[in-house]
Amino acid sequence: VQLVESGGGLVQPGKSLKLSCSASGFTFSSYGMHWIRQAPGKGLDWVAYISSSSGTVYADAVKGRFTISRDNAKNTLYLQLNSLKSEDTAIYYCARKFFDYWGQGVMVTVSS
Amino acid sequence: DVVLTQTPPTLSATIGQSVSISCRSSQSLLHSNGNTYLHWLLQRPGQSPQLLIYSVSRLESGVPNRFSGSGSGTDFTLKISGVEAEDLGVYYCVQGTHAPWTFGGGTKLELK
Repeated sequence: VQLVESGGGLVQPGKSLKLSCSASGFTFSSYGMHWIRQAPGKGLDWVAYISSSSGTVYADAVKGRFTISRDNAKNTLYLQLNSLKSEDTAIYYCARKFFDYWGQGVMVTVSS
Repeated sequence: DVVLTQTPPTLSATIGQSVSISCRSSQSLLHSNGNTYLHWLLQRPGQSPQLLIYSVSRLESGVPNRFSGSGSGTDFTLKISGVEAEDLGVYYCVQGTHAPWTFGGGTKLELK
């Protein structure tokens, strides 16, 4: 099982970014997936979840700004980040449904 | 949202010492299906989190049996029976019984 995030970087406040998580080694379409973030020096902060049937749940802090989605044909999970704020600066991890597999994380920095 | 309170925030231990970490929930984590979705993770410095214990007391594959989990309802405990150097890092509890998922604030295990 391998999860590899990409798409991070430096972005200005109010702008957008799209993260990807490429999955391999398991039947991606059968599993729900999470995005979790970790601000510098802080704890883990759950962001969003998408079920195997594409039902979604969001943390209040990102609801209306972030969108989680998946492409089962490409074995890829996405997180669209809109209206970014400085407090969204963090390492973003994707993880499988029961947190048994995690990616290496991708850094998102929101700064002018 | 469910609030998970971990204590202590920092734990100093010697090699071979047994230690316990508490995770208390603001509401019962017993799901209507009879399962309790309370899991324990370890994040070593500079690494992604890894799953240690799932569903309160089930040891994840490949995790040493010096780790054990117990509890029910709102009170849960992770015990390490004989700390080893590789156990140092930050421990998190996470609940998946009630959406949205939530993490505890973390417990940092240090060498005394």
